[in-house]
Amino acid sequence: DIQMTQSPSSLSASVGDRVTITCRASQRISSNLNWYQRKPGKAPKLLIYGASNLQSGVPSRFSGSGSGTDFTLTISSLQPEDFATYYCQQSHITPMWTFGQGTKLEIK
Amino acid sequence: EVQLLESGGGLVQPGGSLRLSCAASGFTFNSYAMSWVRQAPGKGLEWVSTISGSGSATYYAYSVKGRFTISRDNSKNTLYLQMNSLRAEDTAVYFCAKDQDVRVAATGDYFDYWGQGTLVTVSS
Repeated sequence: DIQMTQSPSSLSASVGDRVTITCRASQRISSNLNWYQRKPGKAPKLLIYGASNLQSGVPSRFSGSGSGTDFTLTISSLQPEDFATYYCQQSHITPMWTFGQGTKLEIK
Repeated sequence: EVQLLESGGGLVQPGGSLRLSCAASGFTFNSYAMSWVRQAPGKGLEWVSTISGSGSATYYAYSVKGRFTISRDNSKNTLYLQMNSLRAEDTAVYFCAKDQDVRVAATGDYFDYWGQGTLVTVSS
């Protein structure tokens, strides 16, 4: 299985901050990397697919980059509704999708 | 609007069985593969199983293979997960998710819509 490692595991930030979350794959996965947002009691939400493509309806403050083994999710200006847990997912080896362990973004 | 609504979760003893359902609406159900993903308490997301749009192809994570069975009824727009021989480590919120690609398990495929989940607790 491809292992996905996110850093940091948790992060404190303020409204208006620029935040970057990193995801590293244990082997090269081209651009087959997706990002999801999870809030307690809510359905996970797709943010970014194919490493850098913004899902329809997702605010443009979210962006993704990277290829191969190293990827980033950036939120350019944090909004109150962005405090959540974020997960990366590899879709290079399917159907054996694997996720990162999550990054919990908290209010400072 | 795509909607996925899970049901069937609850408390079950180790070794017991449970069947989860996911009612889908807002898209052509039989055109898309569907998946189950779970999240144990305090843990991350774990893919569990996927079924093709026709139901002819199924895939399972190693952790559930031989114990869980995924199925679908395209006449009812409903996805199922039959869970047998349940263990404490199967305790989790179970989500159904719609695959974005019409081809099952295609490279690059991802989950574009998810349900809110149903909690399964395995405990004596």
